[in-house]
Amino acid sequence: QVQLQESGPGLVKPSETLSLTCTVSGGSLSNDYWSWIRQPPGKGLEWIGYIYSTGSTNYNPSLKSRLAISVDTSKSHFSLNLRSVTAADTAVYYCARGDGWYYFWGQGTLVTVSS
Amino acid sequence: EIVLTQSPGTLSLSPGERATLSCRASQSVSSSYLAWYQQKPGQAPRLLIYGASSRATGIPDRFSGSGSGTDFTLTISRLEPEDFAVYYCQQYGSSPVTFGQGTKVEIK
Repeated sequence: QVQLQESGPGLVKPSETLSLTCTVSGGSLSNDYWSWIRQPPGKGLEWIGYIYSTGSTNYNPSLKSRLAISVDTSKSHFSLNLRSVTAADTAVYYCARGDGWYYFWGQGTLVTVSS
Repeated sequence: EIVLTQSPGTLSLSPGERATLSCRASQSVSSSYLAWYQQKPGQAPRLLIYGASSRATGIPDRFSGSGSGTDFTLTISRLEPEDFAVYYCQQYGSSPVTFGQGTKVEIK
């Protein structure tokens, strides 16, 4: 059974970079897609983007200019970097397996953007 | 991008009743690439349905999905106490992936 776990700072200052890592256990990152999704407090879900194990990516156009997703199959993790954050980036960030429908999810991690 | 509009916003029902949730897309969802999720407070979403009508592993058969093109429906045949939650539809047929705004199913 694949398990995913997000990790990273829970508080980021405005204009700085939000960095999260998703560690995958119980399976390999190889030959698969890995995604990030976020949910502002009390609101709906927003797709951020995905990466394939070889490194090819697809990003939400609304975030593309600030976003980078990377993968390290040897360390069984993939990462999210979101630059120049504002309060609007405050959300629970989830990692998930897949590029379409998502069966396996991490538990989510709340990131607050505040000075 | 494809905008998904869910209705109603809130559905107030009693255990044992039938729930019918709607998801309408602003343009046709290719190959019926539509999924439904259930989310409870403090938890990650749980996949219920993919491909518009295929139940995910471990999902009870009281959950069913139907529809094609721009109109999709999630039906819960008889509500159990654990079914009261927020439900989201999601399309993954075209990029960017998008989600509906959610329907809350609450106890009447």
